[in-house]
Amino acid sequence: AQKITQTQPGMFVQEKEAVTLDCTYDTSDQSYGLFWYKQPSSGEMIFLIYQGSYDEQNATEGRYSLNFQKARKSANLVISASQLGDSAMYFCAMRGSRLIQGAQKLVFGQGTRLTINP
Amino acid sequence: DTGVSQNPRHKITKRGQNVTFRCDPISEHNRLYWYRQTLGQGPEFLTYFQNEAQLEKSRLLSDRFSAERPKGSFSTLEIQRTEQGDSAMYLCASSPPVGDNEQFFGPGTRLTVL
Repeated sequence: AQKITQTQPGMFVQEKEAVTLDCTYDTSDQSYGLFWYKQPSSGEMIFLIYQGSYDEQNATEGRYSLNFQKARKSANLVISASQLGDSAMYFCAMRGSRLIQGAQKLVFGQGTRLTINP
Repeated sequence: DTGVSQNPRHKITKRGQNVTFRCDPISEHNRLYWYRQTLGQGPEFLTYFQNEAQLEKSRLLSDRFSAERPKGSFSTLEIQRTEQGDSAMYLCASSPPVGDNEQFFGPGTRLTVL
């Protein structure tokens, strides 16, 4: 079974500072994918970044980067130069091998509520 | 270009009534997922379709829940004899046949059972 753990229920950061949101995972699959989603107060889940288990480079998307440490089973999200609009819930998620039927579902952590202070 | 749409956005019902939600995925996406999210929690998987075939159902999906995707396009999720514990946000997502299986989510349907 797959499991995602996010140990920070809430984070408070000053605008323009960088912030790291923690995520650890547990799986017995050799091939898997890791995702981060943002959920503003409006409720919609917004995809931010993806990391494949066999990707050697850490994923980056604009101000978002994923600090992937496979041996430690961690996939932390780093947001550089935070903005007021970054205030939201952030969820880490994983799926199993895309080659295995039934492994496509996402397993989510409990989320971290990020608040950016002006 | 339209994303995933869900209707209704909000539903208030009395305990014991049946409710049905609709999800329209992004047009070229053949994979469709339903999740349930309760307050303060991450989404939990309910069921998954590839085209019209329902390939996986969670144990969370009791006999009162049924989902269909008859023509491989839109999907419906029906809850029969609703209970107060069914109150939640019901999220639909879709993904294309190739790629990293990034799932694109709709705005959700918030169900309140009185």
